[in-house]
Amino acid sequence: AQTVTQSQPEMSVQEAETVTLSCTYDTSESDYYLFWYKQPPSRQMILVIRQEAYKQQNATENRFSVNFQKAAKSFSLKISDSQLGDAAMYFCAYIRPSGSEKLVFGKGTKLTVNP
Amino acid sequence: ETGVTQTPRHLVMGMTNKKSLKCEQHLGHNAMYWYKQSAKKPLELMFVYNFKEQTENNSVPSRFSPECPNSSHLFLHLHTLQPEDSALYLCASSQAGDFNNEQFFGPGTRLTVL
Repeated sequence: AQTVTQSQPEMSVQEAETVTLSCTYDTSESDYYLFWYKQPPSRQMILVIRQEAYKQQNATENRFSVNFQKAAKSFSLKISDSQLGDAAMYFCAYIRPSGSEKLVFGKGTKLTVNP
Repeated sequence: ETGVTQTPRHLVMGMTNKKSLKCEQHLGHNAMYWYKQSAKKPLELMFVYNFKEQTENNSVPSRFSPECPNSSHLFLHLHTLQPEDSALYLCASSQAGDFNNEQFFGPGTRLTVL
């Protein structure tokens, strides 16, 4: 079974600094998709960034970028120029195109941004 | 209303009560999901519906009964729950078959079982 591991339950960063959140996953598949979701204290989960496993180029969305290491099964999220609004729970997630719409989540990392 | 809405936002119920959670999506999606979010645990997928048909039941106890009357609405009927069922219940929707497509989440229903 696929599993997603986020080894950092909590992280903190100073405003304007850079922080990296770790995620590893376990799968025997070669084709799959990876996501980072953000859940602010208001609880509505939103997508931050996504990565297709067949793409070697790391995805980037403004201040958010990933470091995707397929061989190592690692998918870390880098947040540059951190802002107070980045404070949230961040969840790493995995899905494989098997016909089942099953998104597998990690336990999450709580990010605190200090002013 | 836009996106995915859920009602009620908060629910307190006794173990003998029967209640229902409602989810509605206004995005034209054809897949809908129920997740359970408990403290210090990963989000747990409970049910998946594609085109109103249930395609995934992740070994959920029968005291949780989903219903999907159409592609826009999803219900979770609750009866004889246990205190350990207290959690945040999240609904989500997406375009079925497009695995790279994001799932859009509702704000959740905070359920407390006394």
